[in-house]
Amino acid sequence: GQQVMQIPQYQHVQEGEDFTTYCNSSTTLSNIQWYKQRPGGHPVFLIQLVKSGEVKKQKRLTFQFGEAKKNSSLHITATQTTDVGTYFCAGDSYNTDKLIFGTGTRLQVFP
Amino acid sequence: DGGITQSPKYLFRKEGQNVTLSCEQNLNHDAMYWYRQDPGQGLRLIYYSQIVNDFQKGDIAEGYSVSREKKESFPLTVTSAQKNPTAFYLCASSPWGLAGSYNEQFFGPGTRLTVL
Repeated sequence: GQQVMQIPQYQHVQEGEDFTTYCNSSTTLSNIQWYKQRPGGHPVFLIQLVKSGEVKKQKRLTFQFGEAKKNSSLHITATQTTDVGTYFCAGDSYNTDKLIFGTGTRLQVFP
Repeated sequence: DGGITQSPKYLFRKEGQNVTLSCEQNLNHDAMYWYRQDPGQGLRLIYYSQIVNDFQKGDIAEGYSVSREKKESFPLTVTSAQKNPTAFYLCASSPWGLAGSYNEQFFGPGTRLTVL
C-alpha cells in the first residue's frame, strides 16, 4: 500500500541553526499538507501544496513540493524554541480518498 | 467557539471492556476521521466518514467501530477485540472538497486511553 516516509526521525539543533525535514511518498500525490504537533498537543495544519515544484513560505518556514509530486520538504531558518514539536507531512494520492500521514520528524531546539 | 471537542481527555478502562470515545464538531464539516497515535509514532487512520450514515474503514479498523448518525458527531468504540488499545486517539474533521480534493483537517485535543 501507499507509504509516506519522513527523515530524519529526530533532530536536535541549537537555537539559531536551520532545520530541514524530508517527506517521500511511494506514489504520486495530488497534494501534500504539513502539520505541526506540539508536545502533548494535537496536530495543527500549516500549509497545503498542490502544484508540481511549488514553493511556499511562511515567515521562517519554507515548504517545497517536488517536480514529480512524490516528495516534499520543510525548511526552518534560524530555529527558535517555539519551533519545538513534531512535523508531519500528509499526502493525498490520486488512487485513494484519504490522507496518508508521514512518520513525522521530532524537532528539539536547545537555547 | 467553533471547533472539535473530544471527551474525556484521559480515560482508564479495564481489559475486556468496551469503551466509547466522543467526538463532536460545530464547524459544519462533512468529513470526520479517527486516528490512533502511539508514542513516537505517526497517525494511523482507523475510520473515516464523508457523509452522515456512511463510513469507511481506514488502515487499522480491526477492533474498532464507529457510527455517524449526525453530521456533528462521530463516536468511536474501542472493543475488547482490539489487542493493544492503549494509545492517544485523535478525531479530526474537514470540509469535503469537490471531486475528492482535500482541505485541511482540524483536530480535536485527543483522548488518551489507558487499558489496565
